[in-house]
Amino acid sequence: EAQVTQNPRYLITVTGKKLTVTCSQNMNHEYMSWYRQDPGLGLRQIYYSMNVEVTDKGDVPEGYKVSRKEKRNFPLILESPSPNQTSLYFCASSAHPGQGAKGGYTFGSGTRLTVV
Amino acid sequence: AQSVTQLGSHVSVSEGALVLLRCNYSSSVPPYLFWYVQYPNQGLQLLLKYTSAATLVKGINGFEAEFKKSETSFHLTKPSAHMSDAAEYFCAVRNTGANSKLTFGKGITLSVRP
Repeated sequence: EAQVTQNPRYLITVTGKKLTVTCSQNMNHEYMSWYRQDPGLGLRQIYYSMNVEVTDKGDVPEGYKVSRKEKRNFPLILESPSPNQTSLYFCASSAHPGQGAKGGYTFGSGTRLTVV
Repeated sequence: AQSVTQLGSHVSVSEGALVLLRCNYSSSVPPYLFWYVQYPNQGLQLLLKYTSAATLVKGINGFEAEFKKSETSFHLTKPSAHMSDAAEYFCAVRNTGANSKLTFGKGITLSVRP
């Protein structure tokens, strides 16, 4: 089954304790992206990657890092989490737009992060 | 930059009534437009998409949307609401540049009254 898998689904952590949210896709997609969802704000892009070793900032990158060492994996790293990073996070993947991809993304099930 | 606007944050309808969720877009090029649905405690599911083919797009669960260039709109409709339609609905436009991100509206929560 084609899917994007995120782990963990729920995470409670303390301010300043480094954490990583994993994301993996099995569709051989070049394009991957992280979003955060907050009430009244919709979803906003954090980082994206157009291929292995190619990453760039989205709209709200402060406090986050990413890496893309393999095509299928795109982890989100919070080096020093703060309470304002409490949110619902989604990973998504898509075929490369340069290859004529017109479809939407495939989204993971989400990670609900609480930073206390 | 491309954007979408979803007016209002909450719509309530009676079961069996027409569902109409509004979305207006802003784009300097022909847009790719999407509607996603999010059920409570779940991820995002694609309802339907417009990619410059037919202007009336049919999606899953009886939903459809009509692309109207003159009105820059892509409103989502369903003739008869069902209790299971209660969810949050997001309109989104896909950037056609190097970063083909989805830009989302703020979302509309649909409630269905018995």
